[in-house]
Amino acid sequence: AQKVTQAQTEISVVEKEDVTLDCVYETRDTTYYLFWYKQPPSGELVFLIRRNSFDEQNEISGRYSWNFQKSTSSFNFTITASQVVDSAVYFCALSEEYGNKLVFGAGTILRVKS
Amino acid sequence: GAVVSQHPSRVICKSGTSVKIECRSLDFQATTMFWYRQFPKKSLMLMATSNEGSKATYEQGVEKDKFLINHASLTLSTLTVTSAHPEDSSFYICSAGLGVGGNQPQHFGDGTRLSIL
Repeated sequence: AQKVTQAQTEISVVEKEDVTLDCVYETRDTTYYLFWYKQPPSGELVFLIRRNSFDEQNEISGRYSWNFQKSTSSFNFTITASQVVDSAVYFCALSEEYGNKLVFGAGTILRVKS
Repeated sequence: GAVVSQHPSRVICKSGTSVKIECRSLDFQATTMFWYRQFPKKSLMLMATSNEGSKATYEQGVEKDKFLINHASLTLSTLTVTSAHPEDSSFYICSAGLGVGGNQPQHFGDGTRLSIL
């Protein structure tokens, strides 16, 4: 069975601090896909990144970066120089090779204070 | 980019009412759509997979007679919460992918906040 664990329930940081959101996953599939979504207070889900299991290259997009470590089954997300607008719930999710349904982690509430 | 529209965004109604939520793919065809439910401060839980032209596939523990899903066309799936009660109050969100395969990013609707009085 697939499982995604986000151990950090809530994180509070001060603006301009760097913050890392942890994600650990479990799957028996050799091919799978990992995602991060942002959910602001308004409720909609904002897609941030998709990674397939064969691509362990880290990725940077502006202030966002992702560290995929297959050896530890982790897909961590770092926000550099955090801003108040980054305050949201962040979900890590896993998808099997066939089918699009997602298994979500419990989410991490990020609060960035000015 | 691909857009998924969900309507209504918010519903407040009396206990016993049936509520229909629509999920539309605006600029692409979706043979499969997904319905998720999110309780306050909780994660999203998959309720069912909506398949165009056939019966939906429900996750374990989801009452199919309670949550009726219809996917009559390639651009529209509906979720009807029948005889809704306060415990059905939740945030319901749908998603659709551009194709089959886990690598296809799901596009989410903006969600429907259902409150049953």
